[in-house]
Formats: sequence, structure tokens, C-alpha cells
Amino acid sequence: DAGITQSPRYKITETGRQVTLMCHQTWSHSYMFWYRQDLGHGLRLIYYSAAADITDKGEVPDGYVVSRSKTENFPLTLESATRSQTSVYFCASSGHLEPGLEAFFGQGTRLTVV
Amino acid sequence: AQSVSQHNHHVILSEAASLELGCNYSYGGTVNLFWYVQYPGQHLQLLLKYFSGDPLVKGIKGFEAEFIKSKFSFNLRKPSVQWSDTAEYFCAVNAYDYKLSFGAGTTVTVRA
Repeated sequence: DAGITQSPRYKITETGRQVTLMCHQTWSHSYMFWYRQDLGHGLRLIYYSAAADITDKGEVPDGYVVSRSKTENFPLTLESATRSQTSVYFCASSGHLEPGLEAFFGQGTRLTVV
Repeated sequence: AQSVSQHNHHVILSEAASLELGCNYSYGGTVNLFWYVQYPGQHLQLLLKYFSGDPLVKGIKGFEAEFIKSKFSFNLRKPSVQWSDTAEYFCAVNAYDYKLSFGAGTTVTVRA
């Protein structure tokens, strides 16, 4: 199906473990984003990417790693999960053909670090 | 870098009341502006956007927003809210570097 999909939808992990959240889009959008959503903070940008092999840090990148070897995938890895990384994570994409570079969001991944 | 401020953290209204949510951004150049809505348990959906032309833009579900460049504002309005408008509303902006930045969000609760 066309669109943007995130997996898993829910994840519980232990402190110190490595976790990878997946994001896949079928529009061939150039731009992709990872946000975390926390109460009182809205959406904060973790990392973003303009194209394959081009990534930039957002507001809160510490403790996260991204890669973009293919245009359609933008995985987010927590190298050593901490409880403060318990959050809902949203992936988004946008492309040059979208007026104003409108972003489309995935369903989100709810991550709990215990 | 651009930033976005939303004036209200939580707004409580009765059905049929009018809604206005404030949004200000800090960037002096050309911007694209968005309002997204997040219904309980769902992902973000676009309500409306401004990227050029008429500064008064109309979106889905009877929402509209006005871009006032001199005030760096993009306020969202709806003349008469319904219970189903209960949601969280986010203002967002992107500029020269395509990075999309969000405000902290406003929770809107509509009482039946």
C-alpha cells in the first residue's frame, strides 16, 4: 500500500538495549524526519534527511543514530536505550512536488524503556 | 533557525463556541506554514497550509487560518466547534532548509 509506515507500533525494551525503529515510505519523497512526542513538549525533531546518505541533527539528537542508504527507508536507532527515551516516535516525509513541502506522518511507534 | 510558539496550552470550549488558536514564528524570510491536528490515539493530519497567495486559507472541517506577515502570525480559527473537534492542534513552519519545526501544541477540549 502507498504511504508511510512505521514498525513496530509498540515496543517495550530494557535500559541499555539497542532498539531500531523502522520507517518506510512509498512516495519517493526526498525529505524524511523523525520526531518524538512528549507531554508538554509537542513534537521535537530528532533527525532529518534531505536525500539518501544526507542526514542532519534536529533539536534532540543525543542518544539516537539514523541512516538513509535508500530513499524510501529512514531507520532510527537508540544505541543504548534510557528511560528518558520513553516516548511516541513519529516518522514523516515530504517531497518537492508537495506544495509548501507538506509532510505526511506515519502512525507512530510507542516506545517504553523499562 | 526558525521557532514556533503556540499561545495556549489547553483550551476548553462548549459546542458551537468559536475557536481561535494563536501561532507565532520567528523567521524573517519566506516560510511555509501549517496547522496539523492529532485526534486521540491517532497520527498527525494536515488541517491546512499556507505557502503562497491569499493569506486567508481554508482547510478541512471548517477550519481557516490567516497569515499576517507583519506579525509573524498564523492563527487558526473555527466559527463553531463540535465535540468531534476535541484534539491536539500543532502549528508548524518550514523555511529555507526544509526542516519542519513544530510548536508545543494546544489541547482543545470541546464539551457537549
